[in-house]
Amino acid sequence: DTEVTQTPKHLVMGMTNKKSLKCEQHMGHRAMYWYKQKAKKPPELMFVYSYEKLSINESVPSRFSPECPNSSLLNLHLHALQPEDSALYLCASSQVGSLNQPQHFGDGTRLSIL
Amino acid sequence: DAKTTQPPSMDCAEGRAANLPCNHSTISGNEYVYWYRQIHSQGPQYIIHGLKNNETNEMASLIITEDRKSSTLILPHATLRDTAVYYCIVRVPFYNQGGKLIFGQGTELSVKP
Repeated sequence: DTEVTQTPKHLVMGMTNKKSLKCEQHMGHRAMYWYKQKAKKPPELMFVYSYEKLSINESVPSRFSPECPNSSLLNLHLHALQPEDSALYLCASSQVGSLNQPQHFGDGTRLSIL
Repeated sequence: DAKTTQPPSMDCAEGRAANLPCNHSTISGNEYVYWYRQIHSQGPQYIIHGLKNNETNEMASLIITEDRKSSTLILPHATLRDTAVYYCIVRVPFYNQGGKLIFGQGTELSVKP
């Protein structure tokens, strides 16, 4: 069982809709991550939060808006998405400041844009 | 850009050892090698990691060459449930944030009866 929980597991939305993806962890990790994974491709980093502050934005379009309301929760707000944004969105968490501790991933939200 | 190269696919007979190679010739001295696997429709699962020394845990062993330019993940007795995409990853430092995982293209391992 994964210790990082993502909801919903599946989401279908139109290009004009607004929706949010949610991620929760209770491992006391203060670094949280969003990744995007297209079919048959490796995950690509989108955002990194450290101590609830955005520390890395990998040039992600503004139609993706991350939010970290507290140390256990990470949201990804979606608005005016394009069909090419259909993908698996993965959340991960880890300890801050240590390369010697693994990132833990959730099972993702599979997003389809109509 | 990915810092690792892996063969795109490999086969292994059930019960035999699976040896998955990875090249990371541009790795820097403070960058760790991580291995994850991803079974269809699930998130990446952590397997093992190392810096210089060989490592072993309940899932696998990691052999890192002395020059650190390559490594091998060993699954000692592969089962059908080990069929997955295996990613060899270099964890790159980013200030003091815990680093970025730069995924390579992965090796699709098929364990056959």
